[in-house]
Amino acid sequence: DAGVTQSPTHLIKTRGQQVTLRCSPKSGHDTVSWYQQALGQGPQFIFQYYEEEERQRGNFPDRFSGHQFPNYSSELNVNALLLGDSALYLCASSNDRAPIGGPTEAFFGQGTRLTVV
Amino acid sequence: AQSVTQLGSHVSVSEGALVLLRCNYSSSVPPYLFWYVQYPNQGLQLLLKYTTGATLVKGINGFEAEFKKSETSFHLTKPSAHMSDAAEYFCAVTLNQGGKLIFGQGTELSVKP
Repeated sequence: DAGVTQSPTHLIKTRGQQVTLRCSPKSGHDTVSWYQQALGQGPQFIFQYYEEEERQRGNFPDRFSGHQFPNYSSELNVNALLLGDSALYLCASSNDRAPIGGPTEAFFGQGTRLTVV
Repeated sequence: AQSVTQLGSHVSVSEGALVLLRCNYSSSVPPYLFWYVQYPNQGLQLLLKYTTGATLVKGINGFEAEFKKSETSFHLTKPSAHMSDAAEYFCAVTLNQGGKLIFGQGTELSVKP
């Protein structure tokens, strides 16, 4: 089981550019959530995708958008990058259709370190 | 609204000493509670979780936590620290297990030889 995989691991972008981050969920998982972790902070929830729809969203501007594909993988897009967008972006997957009593907690990937210069 | 407060951004213990990392939560309904560990330049690994039932929860690597509703706390403990326990620890709360996680600010644990 490969677990949650994210690509790329590191990325450097210039202010104003756009970036796309990718996530493949753990095998058997159908729900993907994205988090932003600034240096020295706890992760902050960006949004969650289930059945290719955005199901829940945190307090992030519309510059942050996402997509989920039929194979449950997901992308996070950030437009018009700001210096403050520099952070570790974490993808987490979970199984919304686990049987009662089964594990539904989130499993996290290694993250993508985005640096905006 | 839910929130999590981790008391102490840095905790330092000697190898073999008790580890106690504090977490208090705020939630209008019974929450699900988690502790995650993060090693440098890595993602988050689940240590343990509280959903329902037994209030003392055992996790991986010898860690355990006790859910105390009256104190709205979910402190993480380990009887004897190892050097390999040095990492960042995050407490998190959610209303449903696969849903939005609200994290605390994290506690960095240092273990001295």
